[in-house]
Amino acid sequence: GENVEQHPSTLSVQEGDSAVIKCTYSDSASNYFPWYKQELGKGPQLIIDIRSNVGEKKDQRIAVTLNKTAKHFSLHITETQPEDSAVYFCAASYNFGNEKLTFGTGTRLTIIP
Amino acid sequence: DAMVIQNPRYQVTQFGKPVTLSCSQTLNHNVMYWYQQKSSQAPKLLFHYYDKDFNNEADTPDNFQSRRPNTSFCFLDIRSPGLGDAAMYLCATSKERGLEQYFGPGTRLTVT
Repeated sequence: GENVEQHPSTLSVQEGDSAVIKCTYSDSASNYFPWYKQELGKGPQLIIDIRSNVGEKKDQRIAVTLNKTAKHFSLHITETQPEDSAVYFCAASYNFGNEKLTFGTGTRLTIIP
Repeated sequence: DAMVIQNPRYQVTQFGKPVTLSCSQTLNHNVMYWYQQKSSQAPKLLFHYYDKDFNNEADTPDNFQSRRPNTSFCFLDIRSPGLGDAAMYLCATSKERGLEQYFGPGTRLTVT
C-alpha cells in the first residue's frame, strides 16, 4: 500500500518568514495530494491540493509543488502569520479503485511573533 | 453555510458501555467517511459509505460499526468501548470518491 513520509515533525519560524514542509510517497500510481491544516481541538481543514497533471499550484500565501519523478511534494507558506500556527498533514491517494487518503505523520508549525 | 456537523463534540462513556457518535452534512455529498485520530497521530480511516454501499477497512476492529440511514446522516457505533478507543473521531465527506474530503470538527471520546 501507499506510504507517505512527512518532514520535519516540528518547525518554528519567525513571523514573516517562509515555511516549507516536505512529503514523499511510495506509490507511483498516486495522483491526488491534498494538504490539511488542523488547529488544536478542531477537524482538519483542506487548505490546498494538487493533482498529478500539475506541477505547482498557488493560493495567495500558500503554494504546493509536485515532483512526480522523485515522488515528493511540498507545501510552501510565505509571509507567515501567527494564525498559521497549527499541525499540517499531507496526504496522497489515487483514483483508480482505491480513493483512500494516506496521511503523513504531521508537522507542528509554530510561528514566533 | 453548507457544512459537516458532528454531535456531540465531547463524549464520555464507561468501559464496555455502547456509544453512538453522529455526523450530518448539508453538502449533499455521496461519500461519508469515519476516521479515528489518536493524540499526535494522523487520522486513520475506519470505513466509508459511498451512497448506501459500506466499505470497511481491513484493520478496523469488529467493535466499530456504522450506519447511514440517509444521505445526510451517518453514525459510528462502538459496541464495547475499551480504554484504547479513546480518541478524536472525525467524520468527512466528499462529493465523489477521489475528490476533496471535508472534515467535521470531530467528537472527542473519553473512556473511563
